Amino acid sequence: GQQLNQSPQSMFIQEGEDVSMNCTSSSIFNTWLWYKQEPGEGPVLLIALYKAGELTSNGRLTAQFGITRKDSFLNISASIPSDVGIYFCAGLYNNDMRFGAGTRLTVKP
Amino acid sequence: KAGVTQTPRYLIKTRGQQVTLSCSPISGHRSVSWYQQTPGQGLQFLFEYFSETQRNKGNFPGRFSGRQFSNSRSEMNVSTLELGDSALYLCASSENFGNQPQHFGDGTRLSIL
Repeated sequence: GQQLNQSPQSMFIQEGEDVSMNCTSSSIFNTWLWYKQEPGEGPVLLIALYKAGELTSNGRLTAQFGITRKDSFLNISASIPSDVGIYFCAGLYNNDMRFGAGTRLTVKP
Repeated sequence: KAGVTQTPRYLIKTRGQQVTLSCSPISGHRSVSWYQQTPGQGLQFLFEYFSETQRNKGNFPGRFSGRQFSNSRSEMNVSTLELGDSALYLCASSENFGNQPQHFGDGTRLSIL
């Protein structure tokens, strides 16, 4: 279940702005994952992080695995209308996977 | 490669009935997990199957059960349906059991009347 603190809960931004969201936990994880979910669809894996300190990009998306292994952030640069959706973080330790409550992103053209 | 396929996409049932949902994982993936997603509770883990064995179980009543077949396909069953079981049920697959990213299907939207 959800045991990750994800913030912010929602964001309303203008097209072209950068976005930042993060996840924190009281537990350590071996893997951090970021997903995006659009209405009527399942979550789609955006970025997977496997090592503390790792910084990974996927197009305009950049995510980092925190040094303490208890947090991760996701940045989206130069947002566009199709970035709209709910972004979830997930932490994985052995076979225990926990999710954040999600960040709902709205992009105004 | 085809993604995770869930059937049916939508289902309407009444209280007391039972339902079976199906999931076909990505080809080559051997681990299948099931989640319940509701607006209030978010993503809640139900169970995970690997090599036809349940390896992990969430905190759901015994009315929720599942199984996995030798071809890694999985089914989830909910008996004696309650109004609160209305949710999006998501299946996710990964290559193996353990620290593996999971890939989700588009879910089955179950509505209980």
